[in-house]
Amino acid sequence: KNEVEQSPQNLTAQEGEFITINCSYSVGISALHWLQQHPGGGIVSLFMLSSGKKKHGRLIATINIQEKHSSLHITASHPRDSAVYICAVLFRSDMRFGAGTRLTVKP
Amino acid sequence: NAGVTQTPKFRILKIGQSMTLQCTQDMNHNYMYWYRQDPGMGLKLIYYSVGAGITDKGEVPNGYNVSRSTTEDFPLRLELAAPSQTSVYFCASSLAGFSTDTQYFGPGTRLTVL
Repeated sequence: KNEVEQSPQNLTAQEGEFITINCSYSVGISALHWLQQHPGGGIVSLFMLSSGKKKHGRLIATINIQEKHSSLHITASHPRDSAVYICAVLFRSDMRFGAGTRLTVKP
Repeated sequence: NAGVTQTPKFRILKIGQSMTLQCTQDMNHNYMYWYRQDPGMGLKLIYYSVGAGITDKGEVPNGYNVSRSTTEDFPLRLELAAPSQTSVYFCASSLAGFSTDTQYFGPGTRLTVL
């Protein structure tokens, strides 16, 4: 059983649409990360959250510790946002990752 | 700054061969990590280090060894390669731990064991 579940697995959107990617986890955590993996394979850290909400440009990440849930929102999506988005949590002294959400934004 | 660099980019090994995946960071980060990513699966932590001379196991350490003799370098050793170790390997680093700091990833090493 994976401690971190992401939904949806795949998502196709039209340019300009508002995107939401969800992450649920089953264990107590001290931090949650959102990562972006580009089509070429490179991984970039987008956000680190322990509570509340963070915003960077068109990206917004929220976390609800009580409900064990986090969301990543993309406003005014663009084809360059096409990537795999990965949620990761610190579980005890180990990091556990979701399988990722593959986002395709069509022009 | 080059950030986190990994060599080689690609490698094909035969069953039973050994190799070392190199990872170097030039950001003076204390923490370094090795992950593997299997197709369609999430990243899994193999080993991590909180500073020179200190290493610890992650979720999937079997079949691998690490050392951290300097702040900059964190090599990953495969002693007896097996097909189950076919994967993409990512090295990452951070100034502080996972719960307080973002991680910077290397470009990855794609390893195939035949």
